[in-house]
Amino acid sequence: QQQVKQSPQSLIVQKGGISIINCAYENTAFDYFPWYQQFPGKGPALLIAIRPDVSEKKEGRFTISFNKSAKQFSLHIMDSQPGDSATYFCAASMYNDYKLSFGAGTTVTVRA
Amino acid sequence: NAGVMQNPRHLVRRRGQEARLRCSPMKGHSHVYWYRQLPEEGLKFMVYLQKENIIDESGMPKERFSAEFPKEGPSILRIQQVVRGDSAAYFCASSPNRENYGYTFGSGTRLTVV
Repeated sequence: QQQVKQSPQSLIVQKGGISIINCAYENTAFDYFPWYQQFPGKGPALLIAIRPDVSEKKEGRFTISFNKSAKQFSLHIMDSQPGDSATYFCAASMYNDYKLSFGAGTTVTVRA
Repeated sequence: NAGVMQNPRHLVRRRGQEARLRCSPMKGHSHVYWYRQLPEEGLKFMVYLQKENIIDESGMPKERFSAEFPKEGPSILRIQQVVRGDSAAYFCASSPNRENYGYTFGSGTRLTVV
């Protein structure tokens, strides 16, 4: 069964717009939530990660928002650029664990 | 410092043949993880290995799949008697210790079973 549910499956945004991807999890033992970016033909690369002791983390144009009570977290891509076109995966695990549970992925297309 | 190297990048096998996927971890990394990505799905954990040891193979199908990480050489994921449902992208990751936030993924092997 899917431990992390991700939506939407795909989205199209205009250059300069905001991309928002949402994830929900069931396992309350999860306490590490990374996001991965994957370009076609490449492996996933860690983009940004958050732990539940904070509600938001920002790195450049990428922001994770975390809602522990709702068991949800989301990725916001501000000022989206064509180079951001990729598939984004949320994931979750117990901190210091080696095993990641991934969402199904969101394909983001940024139109110039 | 080369990243995680996987080969081949693409592999086509007929039903019933064997597939061997290779993964060389980053220099200094002794922990290797294999994940499988089916079409329209996220990555699913398969197996975690250290040199000469399988630590966790809870995600491996019970039959036809095996993995090893010998003292010398790359880690190998072996699929015997492949079936169409084995068609997927197989990713290897490595880390310097037993944790996931140090993961570096390779570019994957795309296996197609015809």
